[in-house]
Amino acid sequence: GQQLNQSPQSMFIQEGEDVSMNCTSSSIFNTWLWYKQDPGEGPVLLIALYKAGELTSNGRLTAQFGITRKDSFLNISASIPSDVGIYFCAGQGSMNYGGSQGNLIFGKGTKLSVKP
Amino acid sequence: ETGVTQTPRHLVMGMTNKKSLKCEQHLGHNAMYWYKQSAKKPLELMFVYNFKEQTENNSVPSRFSPECPNSSHLFLHLHTLQPEDSALYLCASSQNPLAGGRETQYFGPGTRLLVL
Repeated sequence: GQQLNQSPQSMFIQEGEDVSMNCTSSSIFNTWLWYKQDPGEGPVLLIALYKAGELTSNGRLTAQFGITRKDSFLNISASIPSDVGIYFCAGQGSMNYGGSQGNLIFGKGTKLSVKP
Repeated sequence: ETGVTQTPRHLVMGMTNKKSLKCEQHLGHNAMYWYKQSAKKPLELMFVYNFKEQTENNSVPSRFSPECPNSSHLFLHLHTLQPEDSALYLCASSQNPLAGGRETQYFGPGTRLLVL
């Protein structure tokens, strides 16, 4: 089945540093989503990407939909303590690409810890 | 506040108990989902409902029984669970692509379930 490889699994950074994480897949997706999950809460949508090559920003966050449709990255600039949490990528296929109902496939997450 | 609410937020139950989880979405969506999130594992899709009809059961044991009385409400009935069923259960909703909407999923805060 479809799988996503998300890296890194975890990272410790100094406040003010930039952060980069990515997801890759052997399958084609037609939507890439990035979520953040705080402890005890559900994932919150950060950025949604619907078109290959699309680059979208949300405040200090920037994400891109890879041209090959098989990857995406998320950058966080000038990290702050509240950026701590787990970041998930999710890819969504479609019937055209053999996806099941267009359901989301999730990466295992990148745990971000910031040293104040 | 994502527009998706879940109750209860925390639940402890014995293996012989019967309980139900409730999800309600206020986004006007017509697709709803149940996910299971266990430690160190990717989010696992359990059930999908489109326009109140179950369209996917991802090989979930029969001790989990979903119910979708209308497009805004989704239940997960639990009976004779096992300790390994302890996890965070997340509900999500989206537009149905067949209805011309984006499939971007919005999550509730989850129910933290502990089976003793």
